Amino acid sequence: EVQLVESGGGLVQPGGSLKVSCAVSGFTLNNYWMSWVRHTPRKGLEWVANINEDATERYYVDSAEGRFTISRDNPKNSVFLQMNSLRVEDTAVYYCVRDSYNLLDLWGQGTLVTVSS
Amino acid sequence: EIVMTQSPATLSVSPGDRATLSCRASQSVGVNVAWYQLRPGQAPRLLIYGASTRATGIPARFSDSGSGTEFTLTISSLQSEDFAVYYCQQYNAWPRTFGQGTKVEIK
Repeated sequence: EVQLVESGGGLVQPGGSLKVSCAVSGFTLNNYWMSWVRHTPRKGLEWVANINEDATERYYVDSAEGRFTISRDNPKNSVFLQMNSLRVEDTAVYYCVRDSYNLLDLWGQGTLVTVSS
Repeated sequence: EIVMTQSPATLSVSPGDRATLSCRASQSVGVNVAWYQLRPGQAPRLLIYGASTRATGIPARFSDSGSGTEFTLTISSLQSEDFAVYYCQQYNAWPRTFGQGTKVEIK
C-alpha cells in the first residue's frame, strides 16, 4: 500500500525547535521530489519546502527560509523537516507530500505542531 | 507571488445537486491549476489538474475548466463523501500558491 505517515508533532514554546518525520512506503522514494505543506483553518494550505531526489536542491517559502531545513534519507524511506526558532504563526498541521512534476499527488494524514507558551 | 482567490468561501448544496467552485489567479497561469480536497480526519487528495486531467481514482463527476486567470471546479452530482473543503493551487510559477479554500456543506 502506498502511504506516507508523519510523526513528531507536538507542543513547543515560541523560539523552540521541533523535527517532524515522514515514513514512506509503497513507492520508491528516491524517484521523487518531496514537499512539506501546512494547513490551518484560518489561512488554509501553504507549501513550506521541498527537496529533490538526491537532496542537492532544496527550496523554502520565504517565511521558513533560514529557520526550517528539509532533508531525506532514501535508504530509510524517510523525509524530515527540522524547524527552529518557531513562531506562534507556525502552528499548523504539517503534511508530508509526494511532489511529482509540480503536482502534490500523494499526501500523508499530517502531524499537528502547536507553538504556544 | 501569484495570489489565488476562491469563491464562495462556503457553498451550501443538497446531495445530488451540482456544485460550482471558482478560482481566480492574479496573473495568467495557463492551465497549470490543480484542485485538492480536504476532509476531516483524512489525508488530503489531489483531484484534478491541467485542464481536466483527473488524478487516479477520482470519479468522473469531478471536472474543471478554465485557463489564464479564471478556473472552475464542478461536481456534477454531490455525494455524501464530497462535502469537504476544496483548494485550488497554481503550479505555473514559483512559489506554488493555494487559494483560501471553499467549504462545500450540506444544505
